[in-house]
Amino acid sequence: ELKVEQNPLFLSMQEGKNYTIYCNYSTTSDRLYWYRQDPGKSLESLFVLLSNGAVKQEGRLMASLDTKARLSTLHITAAVHDLSATYFCAALYGQNFVFGPGTRLSVLP
Amino acid sequence: DSGVTQTPKHLITATGQRVTLRCSPRSGDLSVYWYQQSLDQGLQFLIQYYNGEERAKGNILERFSAQQFPDLHSELNLSSLELGDSALYFCASSAGTGLGYTFGSGTRLTVV
Repeated sequence: ELKVEQNPLFLSMQEGKNYTIYCNYSTTSDRLYWYRQDPGKSLESLFVLLSNGAVKQEGRLMASLDTKARLSTLHITAAVHDLSATYFCAALYGQNFVFGPGTRLSVLP
Repeated sequence: DSGVTQTPKHLITATGQRVTLRCSPRSGDLSVYWYQQSLDQGLQFLIQYYNGEERAKGNILERFSAQQFPDLHSELNLSSLELGDSALYFCASSAGTGLGYTFGSGTRLTVV
């Protein structure tokens, strides 16, 4: 059974700072998604990472995948308040995705 | 609009009652997934249907049941409701194995 962990679970950061969210999964998976959820809202797909070494960037967010280490990272550069949300990673296991517990990010002025 | 439609958006009901949540997947998607998200909790996978058949089951209570109809819409039935069932219930659909999920906007259920 695949287990997905994220850390930290809660993150408060100041605007302009950089930080990384980590997503570890317990067994082999070669496909990983990152989602964003605003409070009380739906989940929105941010990135899909399909192979070892894959890197995707959109604005201030950059995601990467290391399948050998079973690790994906979501790096935030020069955070702004609009990035405040909960971020979920989801790793493919068999035919379905297993979601991590989410990282709640608050960007403070 | 993600293409996944959930109704109703909000539902308030009393303990012991039964409710039905409805989901229409994105056009062409055969898989439907149901998730429960309680306050300050992560996503709890409930159940998956593929083209009308149950494919995977997660932490779904016996009081809960679901089905997917020939037109691919799905319904989640929650019965003998308890206060602890208050949550956001999400439906997601997918075009195929290994393809990401598209989530609906959710149904917020409040049990009083």
